[in-house]
Amino acid sequence: GENVEQHPSTLSVQEGDSAVIKCTYSDSASNYFPWYKQELGKRPQLIIDIRSNVGEKKDQRIAVTLNKTAKHFSLHITETQPEDSAVYFCAVYNQGGKLIFGQGTELSVKP
Amino acid sequence: GAVVSQHPSWVICKSGTSVKIECRSLDFQATTMFWYRQFPKQSLMLMATSNEGSKATYEQGVEKDKFLINHASLTLSTLTVTSAHPEDSSFYICSAGIGAISGNTIYFGEGSWLTVV
Repeated sequence: GENVEQHPSTLSVQEGDSAVIKCTYSDSASNYFPWYKQELGKRPQLIIDIRSNVGEKKDQRIAVTLNKTAKHFSLHITETQPEDSAVYFCAVYNQGGKLIFGQGTELSVKP
Repeated sequence: GAVVSQHPSWVICKSGTSVKIECRSLDFQATTMFWYRQFPKQSLMLMATSNEGSKATYEQGVEKDKFLINHASLTLSTLTVTSAHPEDSSFYICSAGIGAISGNTIYFGEGSWLTVV
């Protein structure tokens, strides 16, 4: 089955700095890669996603890059703010129709 | 936008009893729904795929006789935790999708906190 690895597990940055979270996956047939932000006890919130026919996508301070050959994708958050502090999950949607999550990254943005 | 509703939001039950969690798609039909379990400070782990009109398919290591899934209609899937034990205490969350996956087409329920005492 699909194996999704996410790093780092925790990340602490100063306000205004950039944060990068990386994920790798195993199934080369996977075709959709969303990133979620989750607050404690709440449902995951989609923040950005990318499909396998695109290499990069940007939405204001958030961007995602995909290297399909290497089977890895990354989340980039620029000009971080304290309200960006949360747990972030990458996920991979594969041909089997399942959404598999990475282990999660706890991001802390210090004022 | 499409909404997936989950009920109850939280439930406390005694060890040995069973508890049912409902997942409804409010404005679309979902032939497939997914159930996840999330322990504190951990990821969402896929438990099973709920298929309307047929048996659910379970991920490796998930006991199908303990976690009963019923998807009797196109808008409702239920997860029943049978003979619950304290180690079953967790956050359970369902999801459903519409059509070809792109953008905001995967919807999550609000999640259900289960505490077994």
